[in-house]
Amino acid sequence: NAGVTQTPKFRVLKTGQSMTLLCAQDMNHEYMYWYRQDPGMGLRLIHYSVGEGTTAKGEVPDGYNVSRLKKQNFLLGLESAAPSQTSVYFCASSYGGGVEVLNEQFFGPGTRLTVL
Amino acid sequence: DQQVKQNSPSLSVQEGRISILNCDYTNSMFDYFLWYKKYPAEGPTFLISISSIKDKNEDGRFTVFLNKSAKHLSLHIVPSQPGDSAVYFCAATLTYNNNDMRFGAGTRLTVKP
Repeated sequence: NAGVTQTPKFRVLKTGQSMTLLCAQDMNHEYMYWYRQDPGMGLRLIHYSVGEGTTAKGEVPDGYNVSRLKKQNFLLGLESAAPSQTSVYFCASSYGGGVEVLNEQFFGPGTRLTVL
Repeated sequence: DQQVKQNSPSLSVQEGRISILNCDYTNSMFDYFLWYKKYPAEGPTFLISISSIKDKNEDGRFTVFLNKSAKHLSLHIVPSQPGDSAVYFCAATLTYNNNDMRFGAGTRLTVKP
């Protein structure tokens, strides 16, 4: 039972390059999330998904796209990377929303992305 | 617009003493609050939570207090242990719509032996 895994762990991009971050969970969770963490800012929600085939914008969605073709995977894409997207990216999953005890989100170990 | 604020970036306490981490929020609609703990090179892990219908929730050495009128919550760790050294994030959300959880910037706790 691996929980939430993220690929890759580290990546360096040049401005304008594209890449996809992969998140996988083996807990059969419906909800999945992508966050970015910047110094002094805490975690900010980029996009989320409430089920296979669905996606929605979070607090800071600009410059990112996502896809949830399979329930266990949630992909985050950067079409044209910018230095402002240098950050640590965390994926998370949860059983669902709407029931107090199930609000807990399980996080992956993070991907450190540097855009030069 | 940071709706959840942790105004102390760091806190240092002696082993065995109490650690008190504070968090303030601005959105009165939030009705569910969580604390996450993060070690270096790992993702945050859930620690403890509290619903707005309560003012205290306890789990072993960890207690979270909620003061709704002041829009303030705190995490108490008693007694503090060196293994508690980590970054602690406060988070707030809505019970029936937890898609948009807002996090504070975190407080780095150091527990000295």
